[in-house]
Amino acid sequence: QQQVKQSPQSLIVQKGGISIINCAYENTAFDYFPWYQQFPGKGPALLIAIRPDVSEKKEGRFTISFNKSAKQFSLHIMDSQPGDSATYFCAASKAAGNKLTFGGGTRVLVKP
Amino acid sequence: GAVVSQHPSRVICKSGTSVKIECRSLDFQATTMFWYRQFPKKSLMLMATSNEGSKATYEQGVEKDKFLINHASLTLSTLTVTSAHPEDSSFYICSARGAPTYNEQFFGPGTRLTVL
Repeated sequence: QQQVKQSPQSLIVQKGGISIINCAYENTAFDYFPWYQQFPGKGPALLIAIRPDVSEKKEGRFTISFNKSAKQFSLHIMDSQPGDSATYFCAASKAAGNKLTFGGGTRVLVKP
Repeated sequence: GAVVSQHPSRVICKSGTSVKIECRSLDFQATTMFWYRQFPKKSLMLMATSNEGSKATYEQGVEKDKFLINHASLTLSTLTVTSAHPEDSSFYICSARGAPTYNEQFFGPGTRLTVL
């Protein structure tokens, strides 16, 4: 049972454009939703995270939008740069720091 | 701060042998460590959760006798792949959480295991 579904699997965006990645979850007990960035051969690194009591969180060029009723959340990368080319994973857990359920991942390629 | 290391970064072994992977929290005490497995171009799948001084809790479908996890100290957890086979070849990643930021997991750089 895939509890966190992520789309698209891959996307190509021009430098300066906006990358948008979507995730949907099934388990209403989840209350912590982080996004991770992973480069090839490396471990994932936390980008930004949100809890269901807010609908949006912004940190620099990264914004999470959260829709509790739809059980969906998304990551927006503004002004995408070639250095943003990586695989992005959404995740969910029942509490911050608890075991994570990951989405399938999105490979983002930013073309110069 | 909050650095997690793994050793080795890469290991190649023969089928039937055992391999030990170490996960260390370098600048904090990791009360809980998690072990994930990642196949090429795939997502991370949680294998087990270990709390310092306790037996690990394995996810459904993960063989306890094949993937031995030990978390004997607040800075070290080990994953031993016993009697490794080619299908065990994968990228193994650990993460850790502990004081003071219990609400975040910090990931290690991963270990690439290749079983010939």
